Amino acid sequence: AQSVSQHNHHVILSEAASLELGCNYSYGGTVNLFWYVQYPGQHLQLLLKYFSGDPLVKGIKGFEAEFIKSKFSFNLRKPSVQWSDTAEYFCAVSSKAAGNKLTFGGGTRVLVKP
Amino acid sequence: KAGVTQTPRYLIKTRGQQVTLSCSPISGHRSVSWYQQTPGQGLQFLFEYFSETQRNKGNFPGRFSGRQFSNSRSEMNVSTLELGDSALYLCASSVGRSAMNTEAFFGQGTRLTVV
Repeated sequence: AQSVSQHNHHVILSEAASLELGCNYSYGGTVNLFWYVQYPGQHLQLLLKYFSGDPLVKGIKGFEAEFIKSKFSFNLRKPSVQWSDTAEYFCAVSSKAAGNKLTFGGGTRVLVKP
Repeated sequence: KAGVTQTPRYLIKTRGQQVTLSCSPISGHRSVSWYQQTPGQGLQFLFEYFSETQRNKGNFPGRFSGRQFSNSRSEMNVSTLELGDSALYLCASSVGRSAMNTEAFFGQGTRLTVV
């Protein structure tokens, strides 16, 4: 079945470490790509999005993501994490091939130890 | 600017009952979408509305229904509740026609527990 996969369910790292979260999708054709974040006790909010153009997208709070079409991937990165980056991160994809709806990956819980 | 408001925040219902959840979008947003979030299945799309019309529906049984009013407020209804319907129900609003191609602003959700 077509889907959005996030390979890591849980990630634990120390402050100042680099973070990379993987996201792969299986839809062909044109896709819109998103990363959403849910901080503890807060609502889901958009980190960044890609629709077209430069495949390296910069978002809020120092996050960036790279769209690699040949690999059907949209990995999220941050060079140096802070304790406040502790959250659950969701990759999401929308496309006509995906049924014209926003499809989310399973999420990755990130714990940053101070 | 007020965010997306979902009411109630918490709800406990008995199997077989029905429930109605409400969502008030951000002012000026005309698109509303609903998602079910569970530990096992993650975030799953329920339906999306724009200008009172359902644009799309996810793979949920007919017990799940929704509607949107002329003021863009939306409700979703679940009839004949089952234990498996226990979940966090999230509503999101978007300024464009769809959350597919624009930012979705999410509410805090309604936590439904079916006993």
